[in-house]
Amino acid sequence: NAGVTQTPKFQVLKTGQSMTLQCAQDMNHNSMYWYRQDPGMGLRLIYYSASEGTTDKGEVPNGYNVSRLNKREFSLRLESAAPSQTSVYFCASTWTSGSGTDTQYFGPGTRLTVL
Amino acid sequence: AQSVTQPDIHITVSEGASLELRCNYSYGATPYLFWYVQSPGQGLQLLLKYFSGDTLVQGIKGFEAEFKRSQSSFNLRKPSVHWSDAAEYFCAVGGSNDYKLSFGAGTTVTVRA
Repeated sequence: NAGVTQTPKFQVLKTGQSMTLQCAQDMNHNSMYWYRQDPGMGLRLIYYSASEGTTDKGEVPNGYNVSRLNKREFSLRLESAAPSQTSVYFCASTWTSGSGTDTQYFGPGTRLTVL
Repeated sequence: AQSVTQPDIHITVSEGASLELRCNYSYGATPYLFWYVQSPGQGLQLLLKYFSGDTLVQGIKGFEAEFKRSQSSFNLRKPSVHWSDAAEYFCAVGGSNDYKLSFGAGTTVTVRA
């Protein structure tokens, strides 16, 4: 049981390049999330997927797109990277029901630098 | 809108001393409250959570937190800190009608020998 896995662990991009961050979970969770973490700002939600086939914007969605490929996988795409997107990106998953969310389980993170 | 405030950016504590981290939240309905810990270069690990019931919650690694509705607070405590408790701590709030969590900015704990 690997939990939440993310690839790659590190990435350096040049301004304008594109890339996709991959996330997968093996806990049969229905909800998945992408966050970015910047110093002094905690975690900010980029996008989330409450269930397979649905995605919604979070607090800071500009410059990003997501795909919920299936129940296990949720990818984050940067179409044209900018230096402001230099950050650590975390994927998380949880089981949500009609009575709200439960503990979110986090991946190890992807450290992205945009030059 | 929901939000979390962690008033202390950085706390330094001596090994063996007690630790208290403050968390204040804003949430319009019944809050679900969480404390996570992040060691350097790692992801976040759940320490404890509160959904309902007893307002004093026990977690892993000897941590506990107390929910005080009247003060909109969920402070984290540990009676005796170990060097391995040096990390960043995040408080988060969600709720019964919400799929999302809102995180505080975090408190960094340094433990001195």
